[in-house]
Amino acid sequence: GAGVSQSPRYKVAKRGQDVALRCDPISGHVSLFWYQQALGQGPEFLTYFQNEAQLDKSGLPSDRFFAERPEGSVSTLKIQRTQQEDSAVYLCASSRGTWGYEQYFGPGTRLTVT
Amino acid sequence: TQLLEQSPQFLSIQEGENLTVYCNSSSVFSSLQWYRQEPGEGPVLLVTVVTGGEVKKLKRLTFQFGDARKDSSLHITAAQPGDTGLYLCAGAMSYNNNDMRFGAGTRLTVKP
Repeated sequence: GAGVSQSPRYKVAKRGQDVALRCDPISGHVSLFWYQQALGQGPEFLTYFQNEAQLDKSGLPSDRFFAERPEGSVSTLKIQRTQQEDSAVYLCASSRGTWGYEQYFGPGTRLTVT
Repeated sequence: TQLLEQSPQFLSIQEGENLTVYCNSSSVFSSLQWYRQEPGEGPVLLVTVVTGGEVKKLKRLTFQFGDARKDSSLHITAAQPGDTGLYLCAGAMSYNNNDMRFGAGTRLTVKP
């Protein structure tokens, strides 16, 4: 069956540009997570959605980062006025329920800010 | 400072050798998960341990959760080149697993 998909897989942006990263979770999955993984590090939590509700955005590093999931399915992570320190792999994960379910990760979007 | 410290950071061994990697923290977790991540892919869950002292086996992989639920280890017996990858541990800060904190990982290379 289809897993979590993310697009684009690679994105190069000039400093100051805005970018939008898309996540298509597994169909029917209630929970959706965004993580940032810097080179040589483990994933760092950014934000969590339960259906269309953003229940936790404590990991977003600045107000330049914004995420939405308007219909409780596809999600978009937007980064405004990108900076070099935003360069990382952005991972999306989804899970079936809201309590203790396995998170399934997408392949990530590698963002490089030049 | 990472909430979860993984060691060693890098490990290169020959096929057939045994190895153990560690995941340590001063925090108590409601559960702990181990993932393997390959280049260009997202992490894939290997196991979840919940009870202090719990031991789980997955073929040649043995996972142990510390009695105090602050640390964990992964032991691989007779490593194979297919075991090569980044091994990540992640601790759940709450019982619903919606607040996972990852370590930086151990990058394992198994040479044929």
